[in-house]
Amino acid sequence: RKEVEQDPGPFNVPEGATVAFNCTYSNSASQSFFWYRQDCRKEPKLLMSVYSSGNEDGRFTAQLNRASQYISLLIRDSKLSDSATYLCVVIIIPGGGADGLTFGKGTHLIIQP
Amino acid sequence: NAGVTQTPKFRVLKTGQSMTLLCAQDMNHEYMYWYRQDPGMGLRLIHYSVGEGTTAKGEVPDGYNVSRLKKQNFLLGLESAAPSQTSVYFCASSYDRSQPQHFGDGTRLSIL
Repeated sequence: RKEVEQDPGPFNVPEGATVAFNCTYSNSASQSFFWYRQDCRKEPKLLMSVYSSGNEDGRFTAQLNRASQYISLLIRDSKLSDSATYLCVVIIIPGGGADGLTFGKGTHLIIQP
Repeated sequence: NAGVTQTPKFRVLKTGQSMTLLCAQDMNHEYMYWYRQDPGMGLRLIHYSVGEGTTAKGEVPDGYNVSRLKKQNFLLGLESAAPSQTSVYFCASSYDRSQPQHFGDGTRLSIL
């Protein structure tokens, strides 16, 4: 099993719909989790951290399921501007250097008018 | 508020040429990273640094060298460029390994 896995998509979703996708991780010692957004040919940008209790930022909700070892990102009332690739990051703590710091390959989301 | 700045933004090289990519951050971050991103491959870590004067190999270090002489700068060097090094290169920095990384806007490098 790969350290971090994401469904590459694309997810084609109509504008205004709710969409959710997951990121699974293999190491149960993983402690720190983030979601990034990357637009075509641009740099990844931090979207939100993922906390144990779950967290929400406007239309975006991130959740952590430690028992099943995955994090999720839910987008409500999707906008055309939400079209992007969403990357998850999983970090094992403690650790040294960049060991145990893994980016997923991303899920491609397309919001259709 | 510059954040992470990469230079140059674009570059075309001939096989065998050398060049250095510069990354500068103004956030006083200890950790700095160099990634390459190719279609369908995701981000792959080339080298990283956990502080001034330190460097370490990542997942794909062959053909690259790095230096971190100053805390704010992380240089990536290609001694003899090869077509396989055609890619988009991203630099990132973070306060420590548990904190989110902040990325520069990338360098698009083509090796002919």
